[in-house]
Amino acid sequence: LAKTTQPISMDSYEGQEVNITCSHNNIATNDYITWYQQFPSQGPRFIIQGYKTKVTNEVASLFIPADRKSSTLSLPRVSLSDTAVYYCLVGDAGGADGLTFGKGTHLIIQP
Amino acid sequence: DAGVTQSPTHLIKTRGQHVTLRCSPISGHKSVSWYQQVLGQGPQFIFQYYEKEERGRGNFPDRFSARQFPNYSSELNVNALLLGDSALYLCASSLPGAGETQYFGPGTRLLVL
Repeated sequence: LAKTTQPISMDSYEGQEVNITCSHNNIATNDYITWYQQFPSQGPRFIIQGYKTKVTNEVASLFIPADRKSSTLSLPRVSLSDTAVYYCLVGDAGGADGLTFGKGTHLIIQP
Repeated sequence: DAGVTQSPTHLIKTRGQHVTLRCSPISGHKSVSWYQQVLGQGPQFIFQYYEKEERGRGNFPDRFSARQFPNYSSELNVNALLLGDSALYLCASSLPGAGETQYFGPGTRLLVL
């Protein structure tokens, strides 16, 4: 399973764009990159998933360089409610080992 | 559409007891996975079931078992509870395929005293 490395914590302010970068040097050819958001005592919430280049949905963008050894989750114009833990996962959810979560990035948004 | 549902939301047990947690997947999803999340850590994979068959198992003792029913709902059973089993237990459902995405339920908070 590809291991991921992401910052333990980040701070930002309301209205700013936040970029969280994840390193995954050993990503396999058939691995997808998936990001989840989690609030305390709640289940992780799917944010975005990609395989290569750029993916955008209504809440975030995901940038993946050509070598796929890293990815960046971009959250536009964050608000206080975006304070949460963000997990970067690499792999195949249907694989026999399930999803491998690290400790995630604790994002704190200040007014 | 209803998301993944789990019951109960909270549970208190004592050491040595047995517990059963339940999960209903998103309509149409045939795969269910279970995760354990202790405070301050990311979720850890326990089991995955697809079409009532175990498709994967994490590094958990045999005290943990699960099954999936014909309607694709699932149960997680834990025997001989230990204090260290206190955690948030998460269920996720998915549609198998490339880039399979798991959608998580709200979890069941288990406290073992």
